[in-house]
Amino acid sequence: DIQMTQSPSSLSASVGDRVTITCRASQRISSNFLNWYQQKPGKAPKLLMYAASSLQSGVPSRFSGSGSGTDFTLVISSLQPEDFAIYYCQQSYSAPYTFGQGTKVDIK
Amino acid sequence: EVQLLESGGGLVQPGGSLRLSCATSGFTFSSSDMSWVRQAPGRGLEWVSAITGGGSGTYYADSVKGRFTISRDNSKNTLSLQMNSLRAEDTAVYYCAKFWSGRIDYWGQGTLVTVSS
Repeated sequence: DIQMTQSPSSLSASVGDRVTITCRASQRISSNFLNWYQQKPGKAPKLLMYAASSLQSGVPSRFSGSGSGTDFTLVISSLQPEDFAIYYCQQSYSAPYTFGQGTKVDIK
Repeated sequence: EVQLLESGGGLVQPGGSLRLSCATSGFTFSSSDMSWVRQAPGRGLEWVSAITGGGSGTYYADSVKGRFTISRDNSKNTLSLQMNSLRAEDTAVYYCAKFWSGRIDYWGQGTLVTVSS
């Protein structure tokens, strides 16, 4: 099974800050199958990025993604109040389609 | 509008069984791979199972293999998850999820399963 490890597990940031979250796969995966989701308390997750760097329709352009092989990154260029949430990466390259453990972004 | 509506959650004793259902609408169900994803209280997301659009391919997390069975009825646009031999660690919100081109583009609102005596 492919393990997905995110770092950091949590971070505190201020509105306007640039935030970077990394996701490392335990083996090489195609970037076409690396996704990022955002989850707010009591809500279902929401797709942010797919294929590592493609922005889901309706998601603000302050979100961006990159990476290949085993290392992937989600960047929020200027953190907004509505961005405080938990972020998960997921690989859909090989079943089981594992998620990272999540990165909680909260207010400094 | 795509809609995924889970049902069937509830309280069950350890060793018991429960069947979750997901009623779908707003997309071509028979062409869509589907998944179940769960989230234990205060924990992260855990992928549980997936099924191909035609139903011929099924996949499971190691944690549920042999105990859970995913199925679908394309005539009724419904996804199901039969859960047997339930354990306390299966307690979670279970989400029905639509897969498209390698990503989950729609999620249900979730149904809570509690395994406790």
